[in-house]
Amino acid sequence: NAGVTQTPKFQVLKTGQSMTLQCAQDMNHEYMSWYRQDPGMGLRLIHYSVGAGITDQGEVPNGYNVSRSTTEDFPLRLLSAAPSQTSVYFCASSSTGSRNTEAFFGQGTRLTVV
Amino acid sequence: KQEVTQIPAALSVPEGENLVLNCSFTDSAIYNLQWFRQDPGKGLTSLLLIQSSQREQTSGRLNASLDKSSGRSTLYIAASQPGDSATYLCAVRGSARQLTFGSGTQLTVLP
Repeated sequence: NAGVTQTPKFQVLKTGQSMTLQCAQDMNHEYMSWYRQDPGMGLRLIHYSVGAGITDQGEVPNGYNVSRSTTEDFPLRLLSAAPSQTSVYFCASSSTGSRNTEAFFGQGTRLTVV
Repeated sequence: KQEVTQIPAALSVPEGENLVLNCSFTDSAIYNLQWFRQDPGKGLTSLLLIQSSQREQTSGRLNASLDKSSGRSTLYIAASQPGDSATYLCAVRGSARQLTFGSGTQLTVLP
């Protein structure tokens, strides 16, 4: 069972570079989301999607872009990396058949912006 | 805006002790609450999911309770083991299916 798969696991970027963090799930979940985790601040929601073609902003969306062209994939794009975006990024998915559903997380991408 | 607080931030106990981790939330209009475990440098592993209509949920040595009206949940770990050492996170799911996380409790179980 693959579940939620994130790539890459580690990445170092220079300030101003762009990149895409990949997230794929094989559970046919409609709902997918991206979080960042920073020390002492818990996980904060960046963007989310309730289905293909539908995305919305979370708590900390600035500097990030998303799209959802398929049910399986939900990539996160950093448009122009900044040191403040150094963080661990997690992708999650869950079903929307009922609101009482379990969230599944990927193993994370550790990003350093220098 | 929903806020989730976990107390204590860190806890160290000797092996074999029973312990309780606390989670409180400000908006009682939740759909469910989920407890996760996170090992250093790893992702989040789901431990227990409590639906808003439930009072508690059990899995092995773990028992989670939910008091929605008072905005509280507890995670009870029985007979703790060194392998239980990890950070425990609680998250509540509100409207639009979004999860709001607490900052976690870092648990160390000493052999």
